[in-house]
Amino acid sequence: GEEVAQTPKHLVRGEGQKAKLYCAPIKGHSYVFWYQQVLKNEFKFLISFQNENVFDETGMPKERFSAKCLPNSPCSLEIQATKLEDSAVYFCASSQVGAYNEQFFGPGTRLTVL
Amino acid sequence: AQKVTQAQTEISVVEKEDVTLDCVYETRDTTYYLFWYKQPPSGELVFLIRRNSFDEQNEISGRYSWNFQKSTSSFNFTITASQVVDSAVYFCAPESTSYDKVIFGPGTSLSVIP
Repeated sequence: GEEVAQTPKHLVRGEGQKAKLYCAPIKGHSYVFWYQQVLKNEFKFLISFQNENVFDETGMPKERFSAKCLPNSPCSLEIQATKLEDSAVYFCASSQVGAYNEQFFGPGTRLTVL
Repeated sequence: AQKVTQAQTEISVVEKEDVTLDCVYETRDTTYYLFWYKQPPSGELVFLIRRNSFDEQNEISGRYSWNFQKSTSSFNFTITASQVVDSAVYFCAPESTSYDKVIFGPGTSLSVIP
């Protein structure tokens, strides 16, 4: 598609439950990025993929967070055993040749952990 | 490591006033890109501009203009004749050429009062 699609738009989970977020990058874009916006302004990079390969995972809290980008499927970000501090908006972005080109952002998924 | 300072946390202006949003960044890279994004109250991220570190020409796009000064590591953004629809949080974001991800600044919240 012509836009980055993220589903669901909103997700509510009880503490300890699993959360799974999806991202469909723009067709033809080979890079996918996940960012977490916890407070209204603060962004944190989580992970990036080049096609289905992890490119940079330096921002990922590995104990509970995992992500995949498989061929012919939306990319996913999964949080096992969510905590209150995971409440945030999660943005996915895609670009053609890494961040040297413009990253196109999806509308975000708002995760609320109660 | 990349670091971004947006010294103005919040700015309020009256409609039709000009306003400049400051951005100072730190980087050890000789080649890099700089971005500005807008995040309106609806929450989506809107790409405004990408600037190559080799190109120090100022850029104008309608009511928007950008002043890039490599010598002072600043990339300031001016809105001329502000409008209420300009009310949003604006993020300055250098790209990490080493790690190919966007590093977001803390953002400046702009309120344009009718």
